[in-house]
Amino acid sequence: DIQMTQSPSSLSASVGDRVTITCRASQSISRYLNWYQQKPGKAPNLLIYGASSLQSGVPSRFSGSGSGTDFTLTISSLQPEDFATYYCQQSYSTPIFTFGPGTKVDIK
Amino acid sequence: QVQLEQSGAEVKKPGASVKVSCKASGFTFTSYGISWVRQAPGQGLEWMGWISVYNDNTNYAQRLQGRVTLTADTSTRTAYMELRSLRSDDTAVYYCARVTETSGSGSPPYYYYYMDVWGKGTAVTVSS
Repeated sequence: DIQMTQSPSSLSASVGDRVTITCRASQSISRYLNWYQQKPGKAPNLLIYGASSLQSGVPSRFSGSGSGTDFTLTISSLQPEDFATYYCQQSYSTPIFTFGPGTKVDIK
Repeated sequence: QVQLEQSGAEVKKPGASVKVSCKASGFTFTSYGISWVRQAPGQGLEWMGWISVYNDNTNYAQRLQGRVTLTADTSTRTAYMELRSLRSDDTAVYYCARVTETSGSGSPPYYYYYMDVWGKGTAVTVSS
């Protein structure tokens, strides 16, 4: 089974900061990596698929990069509505999916 | 409007079963897969399984194999998740999500899969 890890598990940042979250797969998954944002009490929301493709309607301050085992989600200028938990998910072994443990972004 | 509407909260006793529904609207139901994801209180997301609405193929998370069954009724555009032999650690919010396939550019052809439409979640509490 493919295992996913994320770092950091949490971070504190200020509005306007550039934020980077890392996701690592236990084996190469090419670019089969998705990112989701989840706010408390809400369902997850797709941000990025295929490692770097921005989902329709998602602000351009979100970007994704990476391939193989190492991936990055970047928020170029953190906005108040971006405080949330972010999850990576591998789809290399579709129809079996695996989520990372999540990274909580809160206000410094 | 593309959406997935889930059934209401459930309270069950240990050992019982629960069946959660997920009704689709605004898109061609048979053209997508449906995945189920759960989230225990204060915890992360756990993928439970996937069903192809087109041909009823299913795939389940290994740790839930034998206790979970996914089905889909194309006549009512509704997917179902049944979980049996409930335990206290099955207490969670259960989400259904549409799985979309998108082709990448290049040769040989390849496809990305992602969950782009989610239900609001169904809280299941297991307690004696």
